[in-house]
Amino acid sequence: DSGVTQTPKHLITATGQRVTLRCSPRSGDLSVYWYQQSLDQGLQFLIQYYNGEERAKGNILERFSAQQFPDLHSELNLSSLELGDSALYFCASSVEGTTFYNEQFFGPGTRLTVL
Amino acid sequence: AQSVTQLGSHVSVSEGALVLLRCNYSSSVPPYLFWYVQYPNQGLQLLLKYTTGATLVKGINGFEAEFKKSETSFHLTKPSAHMSDAAEYFCAVSGYQAGTALIFGKGTTLSVSS
Repeated sequence: DSGVTQTPKHLITATGQRVTLRCSPRSGDLSVYWYQQSLDQGLQFLIQYYNGEERAKGNILERFSAQQFPDLHSELNLSSLELGDSALYFCASSVEGTTFYNEQFFGPGTRLTVL
Repeated sequence: AQSVTQLGSHVSVSEGALVLLRCNYSSSVPPYLFWYVQYPNQGLQLLLKYTTGATLVKGINGFEAEFKKSETSFHLTKPSAHMSDAAEYFCAVSGYQAGTALIFGKGTTLSVSS
């Protein structure tokens, strides 16, 4: 158990809908990362938050957004869902978000299926 | 830009045999390199990481990796495979152009037969 929790574990929804994925980082970790794992694209970085502020963006679509709250949990919002958004979404956390060798601890993921 | 290439999407070994999973990276700056393992229906777990210093890095579960700058490689090895090693393995480099996020290779699935 990494100490990172993600809810829900599974999510099934229809095209055009909006969903929210939730992540609670390890106690004391200030930085949260979101990654998407799909069969065709592999593991891709979406976005990073550090102590409530957006720190870096990766291949995140404009339909997707995220935020980190004062208690440091984070939510990833996916809207106008398409079939291609079906994937495993991972959250990871690290103690801080400014050094490149900080270990990232991954949650178990949320499996999103868009029908 | 940084990237990671894992050679071989699927590697099969017998129990007790040497495990070798290949990873090559591309980076214009000194890289920080990582190997993660993903067991079925689980998240990723760090096996080992190279930051600076000793180029031979030892990790958990008997795995080790050697950073070879001249070959831009960071191959993962284990002298003797165990059935419990069957999983998917990901090589990653820290993404300077994406803050401290990780850039992952496509992954290698390791199968171990008895």
